[in-house]
Amino acid sequence: QKEVEQDPGPLSVPEGAIVSLNCTYSNSAFQYFMWYRQYSRKGPELLMYTYSSGNKEDGRFTAQVDKSSKYISLFIRDSQPSDSATYLCAMSANTNAGKSTFGDGTTLTVKP
Amino acid sequence: DAGVTQSPTHLIKTRGQQVTLRCSPKSGHDTVSWYQQALGQGPQFIFQYYEEEERQRGNFPDRFSGHQFPNYSSELNVNALLLGDSALYLCASSLAAAFKNIQYFGAGTRLSVL
Repeated sequence: QKEVEQDPGPLSVPEGAIVSLNCTYSNSAFQYFMWYRQYSRKGPELLMYTYSSGNKEDGRFTAQVDKSSKYISLFIRDSQPSDSATYLCAMSANTNAGKSTFGDGTTLTVKP
Repeated sequence: DAGVTQSPTHLIKTRGQQVTLRCSPKSGHDTVSWYQQALGQGPQFIFQYYEEEERQRGNFPDRFSGHQFPNYSSELNVNALLLGDSALYLCASSLAAAFKNIQYFGAGTRLSVL
């Protein structure tokens, strides 16, 4: 079983919809939680990072972490066609800063 | 400000050969991590270099080795290539004094082993 499991998708939504992307994990040592966006044939781009539990908002993006349930989410409001990409969750333990464990990604398509 | 640059973009090798991939970190960054991303999967951590030493290593065999130079650039070497080594190899840079988990990725080198 993988340490990080991500809803595989693919996910297709109409423009303007709210998108919910989710990951679960098994390693209770994880304290840093990141979301990356990866366009085709590009490297991952860091969108959000949070430490421990709680919410963090940045524009149309909101990241939530529930450490008690070992569950993290990324919400995208007012989704745009330009949001179409693969979204990767990643996690790291305090003692292994920079060694991120990734989910396998969810591919999102936002239709105009 | 140049981001993370990797070379070459694409590479084709045959089984048993050796390959060297190169990475220049984002300006001001001193830590370089390498990841392997197979098709349809998330990146897997190979190793991390800081102050010219390997600091952390993932679950990869010794055929995978690396180096960091005084200018913080890095190389990834893979010996005795296997078909299963075909993947996108990503380099990520960060600043040790800040927050190593804020990593900036390059576009990657796509390696095909025939």
